Amino acid sequence: DGGITQSPKYLFRKEGQNVTLSCEQNLNHDAMYWYRQDPGQGLRLIYYSQIVNDFQKGDIAEGYSVSREKKESFPLTVTSAQKNPTAFYLCASSITAGGRHEQFFGPGTRLTVL
Amino acid sequence: AQSVTQPDIHITVSEGASLELRCNYSYGATPYLFWYVQSPGQGLQLLLKYFSGDTLVQGIKGFEAEFKRSQSSFNLRKPSVHWSDAAEYFCAVGVAGGGNKLTFGTGTQLKVEL
Repeated sequence: DGGITQSPKYLFRKEGQNVTLSCEQNLNHDAMYWYRQDPGQGLRLIYYSQIVNDFQKGDIAEGYSVSREKKESFPLTVTSAQKNPTAFYLCASSITAGGRHEQFFGPGTRLTVL
Repeated sequence: AQSVTQPDIHITVSEGASLELRCNYSYGATPYLFWYVQSPGQGLQLLLKYFSGDTLVQGIKGFEAEFKRSQSSFNLRKPSVHWSDAAEYFCAVGVAGGGNKLTFGTGTQLKVEL
């Protein structure tokens, strides 16, 4: 079955540590996205990538970094510079850029900073 | 820049009653509009989408939505709610040439009373 996988489902981090969240898709989609979800705030875009080896900052990129070395993979690193990283993180993909293609979402990773 | 407003944070309906969730958008041209549903701790699932053409759009699980340009609205409706419809619902808007970025509303939490 085609889809998007995110791992781990739950992640705990100590303050000052960097952590990397995994996102893999086998839908052959060109575009991939990372969102952060906090209660009452909907989804906010962190980074997106329209093609391999290229990515752009979203609305809340500070304290995060990404890479897109393979079409299937778009890992997100939450760095120690992110002041309030505890949140639910969602990865998504779409066929291509252009606005009229729906995004497909993974199951999410819940990150908790201890 | 485009924006989306979901005025109702919480809605409670009785099972079997009709449902309407409100969504208003702000954008200068015709947007691409989406409704997603999210169960607790899960990713988002697409219910329906509007790109152009017929303003009444049918989706999965018996949902429909109507695009009203004059009111900048894209309200989601269901004639008879089932207990399994309890979830959080998100309206989103995409624009042409926007890199397929979606802007999400803050969500409406639906509770279904038996």
